[in-house]
Amino acid sequence: EAGVVQSPRYKIIEKKQPVAFWCNPISGHNTLYWYRQNLGQGPELLIRYENEEAVDDSQLPKDRFSAERLKGVDSTLKIQPAELGDSAVYLCASSSRAGGYNEQFFGPGTRLTVL
Amino acid sequence: GQQLNQSPQSMFIQEGEDVSMNCTSSSIFNTWLWYKQDPGEGPVLLIALYKAGELTSNGRLTAQFGITRKDSFLNISASIPSDVGIYFCAGQLAFGNEKLTFGTGTRLTIIP
Repeated sequence: EAGVVQSPRYKIIEKKQPVAFWCNPISGHNTLYWYRQNLGQGPELLIRYENEEAVDDSQLPKDRFSAERLKGVDSTLKIQPAELGDSAVYLCASSSRAGGYNEQFFGPGTRLTVL
Repeated sequence: GQQLNQSPQSMFIQEGEDVSMNCTSSSIFNTWLWYKQDPGEGPVLLIALYKAGELTSNGRLTAQFGITRKDSFLNISASIPSDVGIYFCAGQLAFGNEKLTFGTGTRLTIIP
């Protein structure tokens, strides 16, 4: 079974430029998460989707960040415009409520560097 | 955002040694989880704890859910080279409330 797929794996941009990250969750997983992991820290939740609906976006900086999951499968996270402080690893995870505890499976992440 | 306190921040040990690390929170959690993250990869779940006082093992790993529900401990026995990585604890408020609050991580290095 394929895991969570993320692309690109690395992205280097100049500040004020836009950037987008893509995530394909594990097949059948209805819950999708975007986390940001700053250097030397643990992941922090940005947004959680149940199917197409964003059910927790309280930690998403809405002035420059946006996300979508139009068909309840793939998701895109966008930053526009990017700032120096956005440099981090952006992790996508997915889970399924079926079968008890809904373990979150993480993708490899996209490492963003803003110059 | 909130991050749980993990200690130690880093550990340098020799192969075969036992390892202990812990995680504390100012808030109560009803589920405690321990993850391992390798370079360039996402975290992978090692152990999940659901009940205060619970002691759970997964091979050479043993974790405990603190009685106060504000802390958790992870032990690794007889460390091997593939144990190298960063270990994160995570707390979850309630089953079904999927938000995870992660710790700051413990980096484990094995000295040859």
